[in-house]
Amino acid sequence: DAGVTQSPTHLIKTRGQQVTLRCSPKSGHDTVSWYQQALGQGPQFIFQYYEEEERQRGNFPDRFSGHQFPNYSSELNVNALLLGDSALYLCASSLSLGYTEAFFGQGTRLTVV
Amino acid sequence: AQSVTQLDSQVPVFEEAPVELRCNYSSSVSVYLFWYVQYPNQGLQLLLKYLSGSTLVESINGFEAEFNKSQTSFHLRKPSVHISDTAEYFCAVISVRDYKLSFGAGTTVTVRA
Repeated sequence: DAGVTQSPTHLIKTRGQQVTLRCSPKSGHDTVSWYQQALGQGPQFIFQYYEEEERQRGNFPDRFSGHQFPNYSSELNVNALLLGDSALYLCASSLSLGYTEAFFGQGTRLTVV
Repeated sequence: AQSVTQLDSQVPVFEEAPVELRCNYSSSVSVYLFWYVQYPNQGLQLLLKYLSGSTLVESINGFEAEFNKSQTSFHLRKPSVHISDTAEYFCAVISVRDYKLSFGAGTTVTVRA
């Protein structure tokens, strides 16, 4: 079992650009959540996907959007990048909506210059 | 909404000494409680969790945490640390209302010989 996999591992973008991050959940998991972890801080919940729909959303602007595919994999898109978007983006999957245990990927380190 | 406060941002400790990481939470509804560990340049790994039952929970590598409902705390302890325990530790909660993970800011544990 490969666990939760994220790509790419590192990314450098320029202010104003758009970025897409990808996540494949652990085998058998159908729920994917995304988190932003700024340097020196705890992860902050961005949103959660289940059955290809956004089910919950944290306090993030509309520049942050996502998608879930029929195979349960997911994408996080960020438009009009700001310097403050530089962070580690973590994807977590769980067995289903309402299950308490989340498994995390290694994350994508995004640097905006 | 729920919130998590980790009372110590950094904890230096000598090898084979005990360590305690303090965590307090606030929530208007019942919660489930977690400790995650993050090693350098890696994602989060679940260390232990409290869902129900015995208030003392243990991990396979010697950590334990005790849920105290009256003090709304979930402190993490280890009686004897190893160099390999050097990592960032995050306390987190999920409320039974929305099943979103809310994290504390983290505690950096540095174990020295």
